[in-house]
Amino acid sequence: QQQVKQSPQSLIVQKGGISIINCAYENTAFDYFPWYQQFPGKGPALLIAIRPDVSEKKEGRFTISFNKSAKQFSLHIMDSQPGDSATYFCAAAPGGYGGATNKLIFGTGTLLAVQP
Amino acid sequence: EAGVAQSPRYKIIEKRQSVAFWCNPISGHATLYWYQQILGQGPKLLIQFQNNGVVDDSQLPKDRFSAERLKGVDSTLKIQPAKLEDSAVYLCASSPAGRISGANVLTFGAGSRLTVL
Repeated sequence: QQQVKQSPQSLIVQKGGISIINCAYENTAFDYFPWYQQFPGKGPALLIAIRPDVSEKKEGRFTISFNKSAKQFSLHIMDSQPGDSATYFCAAAPGGYGGATNKLIFGTGTLLAVQP
Repeated sequence: EAGVAQSPRYKIIEKRQSVAFWCNPISGHATLYWYQQILGQGPKLLIQFQNNGVVDDSQLPKDRFSAERLKGVDSTLKIQPAKLEDSAVYLCASSPAGRISGANVLTFGAGSRLTVL
């Protein structure tokens, strides 16, 4: 129940295409959903985050879509660029804003390769 | 601002040997985390400090792993004796506080890659 299931494990997209990564969770107490981007040899970095009071959040080419009833959320990367090639992790935590950071659970990661 | 510094970047040891990793968080960050990232998996929290006190070490294998954060700044993570399954990247992260908010972002270091032979 504490897991966050992420798919696909790897993804190849052509430059200019849309990359879509999906995550699902079981714990209904989760109410903070961040996405992290990790380049080779670097630590993960926060990309974008959403709380369940909204169904979508957009920052530039990156959009999180959230489906509370299905307990699923996804990351969409529009106009994907070779520089977006990285590993993406979804995560979830209970408590929303004000929740404890030690409760953050990460997905297994998706390796995205954007071909020029 | 300077990022989270970790050393060494790479370490190869034989099983049953010991190893230590060092982390220097972002200046002023009260909360420090050690995560274990096994190949193909997401980071898993090992221990979280608030200043120099432990907030959560529930997933730290205490029979072989230990960590300390003296003076509430730098931290070291030690493994003794190492097992093959300890091969992983050990990530240190820091944040201003231990509560989720838009401003309280976890900043990760580049990690220390451990290979146990």
